[in-house]
Amino acid sequence: AQKVTQAQTEISVVEKEDVTLDCVYETRDTTYYLFWYKQPPSGELVFLIRRNSFDEQNEISGRYSWNFQKSTSSFNFTITASQVVDSAVYFCALSESTGANNLFFGTGTRLTVIP
Amino acid sequence: DTAVSQTPKYLVTQMGNDKSIKCEQNLGHDTMYWYKQDSKKFLKIMFSYNNKELIINETVPNRFSPKSPDKAHLNLHINSLELGDSAVYFCASSLMGGETQYFGPGTRLLVL
Repeated sequence: AQKVTQAQTEISVVEKEDVTLDCVYETRDTTYYLFWYKQPPSGELVFLIRRNSFDEQNEISGRYSWNFQKSTSSFNFTITASQVVDSAVYFCALSESTGANNLFFGTGTRLTVIP
Repeated sequence: DTAVSQTPKYLVTQMGNDKSIKCEQNLGHDTMYWYKQDSKKFLKIMFSYNNKELIINETVPNRFSPKSPDKAHLNLHINSLELGDSAVYFCASSLMGGETQYFGPGTRLLVL
């Protein structure tokens, strides 16, 4: 069975600090996909990144970076020099290659960036 | 142009009523989904449709029924609404095969 764990329920940082959001997943599939979504206070779900299980390269996009490690089944997300606009709930999600490719979400991490 | 749209954005209704939420995508995707987000922000898949066929149906009450008139639309009909149905319902779409799912803005349902 698949599972996504985001152990950090809430994190508060002061603006310009770096912050890492943790994500640990479980799956029996050898082919799977990992995602991060952002849900700002306005409520929409914004896609941030997709990674397939065969690509362990880390990725950087502006102030955002992602560290995918299959050995520890983790897909962590780092925001560098955080800004108030980064305040949101962040969800990590898993999709398996078998079945309907539904997204299985973690419980989310609420990030508050204090000015 | 909005990629995935939902109507209405807010829905307030009485227990026992029947209601529908509409979803449309203009991305040319093959698959559409409905997710429910509860008051604790937990997101859970309800249904997914691929080329007008239901391909998975999670353990949701049969009061909920998805209806897809064509590949670009997946509506959610709810019969005999209950207090516990109060939540935010998100529609999403994607290509098959683990591709990225893009979400609509959500419909906030409140059952009184």
